[in-house]
Amino acid sequence: DAKTTQPPSMDCAEGRAANLPCNHSTISGNEYVYWYRQIHSQGPQYIIHGLKNNETNEMASLIITEDRKSSTLILPHATLRDTAVYYCIVRVMSSNDYKLSFGAGTTVTVRA
Amino acid sequence: KAGVTQTPRYLIKTRGQQVTLSCSPISGHRSVSWYQQTPGQGLQFLFEYFSETQRNKGNFPGRFSGRQFSNSRSEMNVSTLELGDSALYLCASSLGSSGLTGELFFGEGSRLTVL
Repeated sequence: DAKTTQPPSMDCAEGRAANLPCNHSTISGNEYVYWYRQIHSQGPQYIIHGLKNNETNEMASLIITEDRKSSTLILPHATLRDTAVYYCIVRVMSSNDYKLSFGAGTTVTVRA
Repeated sequence: KAGVTQTPRYLIKTRGQQVTLSCSPISGHRSVSWYQQTPGQGLQFLFEYFSETQRNKGNFPGRFSGRQFSNSRSEMNVSTLELGDSALYLCASSLGSSGLTGELFFGEGSRLTVL
């Protein structure tokens, strides 16, 4: 799986949008971008994933650049409960060989 | 719908002992994956089971093993415990083989302390 690079930490004001960048310059054409988050003392939670097109769900939006070398997770209206470690992951969709490789992630702190 | 259930939540063992952790996936999910999380190494993939068969394995020694039962419940076992095995062990389930979808549902984890 391609390696991802994320900033180690970022702050965000409550009620504002949080934009979390991720670089994946070595991504292959068949590798998806996934985002998970882990709130302290809990298991990781799936947020969203995408391949080429931008995606949106009830939790967040995922913007993938045209060359697919980077992406941004957008939390439209951050709340204190969004404070967590956010992981950007790229992986091949293969039924024979898979593993999700979690990096260090970005620690997001939402401040009142 | 009940989530992924892991037991026990906390346990303390001593070096040389063995431990068995249990994971009950979401009803209808057939895939169970196991991860180890430590402050130094982060989240690392241990193995995945689908329909009672191990589908993939991470880079862990043979002391780490697992199995899946016909009801999709899974257990992992660590033998001859070492201090470095102290970690949060997370189980995740998915509807199909995890190779086909990256949407995993994680449990709260079992925190193992080895003294």
